[in-house]
Amino acid sequence: ETGVTQSPTHLIKTRGQQVTLRCSSQSGHNTVSWYQQALGQGPQFIFQYYREEENGRGNFPPRFSGLQFPNYSSELNVNALELDDSALYLCASSLEGQAFSGANVLTFGAGSRLTVL
Amino acid sequence: GQNIDQPTEMTATEGAIVQINCTYQTSGFNGLFWYQQHAGEAPTFLSYNVLDGLEEKGRFSSFLSRSKGYSYLLLKELQMKDSASYLCAVMDSNYQLIWGAGTKLIIKP
Repeated sequence: ETGVTQSPTHLIKTRGQQVTLRCSSQSGHNTVSWYQQALGQGPQFIFQYYREEENGRGNFPPRFSGLQFPNYSSELNVNALELDDSALYLCASSLEGQAFSGANVLTFGAGSRLTVL
Repeated sequence: GQNIDQPTEMTATEGAIVQINCTYQTSGFNGLFWYQQHAGEAPTFLSYNVLDGLEEKGRFSSFLSRSKGYSYLLLKELQMKDSASYLCAVMDSNYQLIWGAGTKLIIKP
């Protein structure tokens, strides 16, 4: 089975620009979560998508938005980039959005490292 | 507020045993996870505890005490490849994962 793939792996943007990050979920997974991980910190939950709808959101402003497609892949869009948006953006897929079981383990992609200058 | 605390950095010797502690205060509890993250790589799943007690998986074991809001990850027979950050995460009442900042483990020969 294929794992979670993210693109691009690295990118550099300037303040005020917009960025789109992409994620393909692991085969058989229907839920995608996005996290922001600053250097030396743990991941911070941005939002989760299940059945093409956002079904959970962390403490991030509306300029962070996302999509999930029928094939369960997902995009993270960030508008009006700020210097503090520089981070590793991790996508994680799992099975099921609402019900949780011990088997509902997140599988992470390698991340997209965004640098905002 | 919700809070996960774990030491910032630990150092241990190859072949030894190390225990990484995690304490948490969250709104509800639906399980605690440990993930390993090598520098520049994705976190990978190590263990999941939802009931009190010890879960053993090879060289790695994880313990949970819900009444104390406490967990630890025990790594035995340390190898150089175990040098990584170890992330503790708790699933809260909304089924969202709250993450600690991670413990950077340095293994010395």
